[in-house]
Amino acid sequence: QKEVEQDPGPLSVPEGAIVSLNCTYSNSAFQYFMWYRQYSRKGPELLMYTYSSGNKEDGRFTAQVDKSSKYISLFIRDSQPSDSATYLCAPLETGAGGGNKLTFGTGTQLKVEL
Amino acid sequence: DVKVTQSSRYLVKRTGEKVFLECVQDMDHENMFWYRQDPGLGLRLIYFSYDVKMKEKGDIPEGYSVSREKKERFSLILESASTNQTSMYLCASSLGGQGAFFGQGTRLTVV
Repeated sequence: QKEVEQDPGPLSVPEGAIVSLNCTYSNSAFQYFMWYRQYSRKGPELLMYTYSSGNKEDGRFTAQVDKSSKYISLFIRDSQPSDSATYLCAPLETGAGGGNKLTFGTGTQLKVEL
Repeated sequence: DVKVTQSSRYLVKRTGEKVFLECVQDMDHENMFWYRQDPGLGLRLIYFSYDVKMKEKGDIPEGYSVSREKKERFSLILESASTNQTSMYLCASSLGGQGAFFGQGTRLTVV
């Protein structure tokens, strides 16, 4: 079983839709939860991160973590064609000697259509 | 603004060549990483470093080595390039638990 599972998609939605992207993970030691956006042929870009369980909102984006069920979500409101990209979840375990290394899901490809 | 710079966007090398991929960050970050990204496999960690002259193996270190002589620079070395090392290579740096920042990637083709 992979440490982080993410549906690869592709997910196609109309402009203006609410998008829900999800990940599950198995390592209960993960403490920080990152979301990255990656456009084609570019490096991943840090979108937002949360610490432990709860919600965090940034503009049209909301990240949600439920540590009890090991479930991570990213919601995009009023989706735009410019949101078309691959979204990667990346939980993080901190600790001595751990180097704060991220574990990535395979990413979900999102396409927002006009 | 945060900046991670990889020396090349595209590289073509021959089988058996020694290949150096360079990465520089200007944020005084302690942690630096090398990943490779392949379709269907996502990002896989090759090596990481949490201090100068320190290195740790990631999930797929075979065929690779790294060097970190200065805090801002982390190099990935392919000792003898092979066709199965054709991939997108991504360097990243981070400070504590605040997420990693990535370079633009180097698309390496080994022929």
